[in-house]
Amino acid sequence: KQEVTQIPAALSVPEGENLVLNCSFTDSAIYNLQWFRQDPGKGLTSLLLIQSSQREQTSGRLNASLDKSSGRSTLYIAASQPGDSATYLCAVHYNTDKLIFGTGTRLQVFP
Amino acid sequence: GAVVSQHPSWVICKSGTSVKIECRSLDFQATTMFWYRQFPKQSLMLMATSNEGSKATYEQGVEKDKFLINHASLTLSTLTVTSAHPEDSSFYICSAMGRPEKLFFGSGTQLSVL
Repeated sequence: KQEVTQIPAALSVPEGENLVLNCSFTDSAIYNLQWFRQDPGKGLTSLLLIQSSQREQTSGRLNASLDKSSGRSTLYIAASQPGDSATYLCAVHYNTDKLIFGTGTRLQVFP
Repeated sequence: GAVVSQHPSWVICKSGTSVKIECRSLDFQATTMFWYRQFPKQSLMLMATSNEGSKATYEQGVEKDKFLINHASLTLSTLTVTSAHPEDSSFYICSAMGRPEKLFFGSGTQLSVL
């Protein structure tokens, strides 16, 4: 069974801290992996897309890594800001065009 | 960047009525669109995969006769919740597959069934 798990489920940190969000998946035969951000009551915003052949992607203060063999991805957020507060979802895309979402990490960054 | 428009953003309806939600890719063609549902404090759950010109593929446990999906063109997919009941109240999100196989999401529809 293809499952995607994220830890921690919730995280509350002071502004300025560097953060690591974890995503693990049971089936390593992935096509790609995406990290999303969801603000309350709103749709998803795609943050980073990592193809199965890639090991990491960077966008501004965000860096996502992928280790297919161990079934893991991490999202690194540098110098966190209150505006980063949101729920972060990772999603694994398999060749069946199915996108399996993780359970999400609710992040709160306080001033 | 690619934009997906979803509307309405929220809808309140009486139990037993049907509600249609539209999902449009505004500046790209999407042969594949996905419909998700999210209950409060839970992760998104894939409901169905919509392919242009063919029948949608539903996930296990999703009633295809209750959640009608039509993907009649490369830029539009619709989800109709038929005979809605309070337990159908949820947040529905669509996404469209762009290139390179990146998903773009609509802004979501909050459905409340009274």
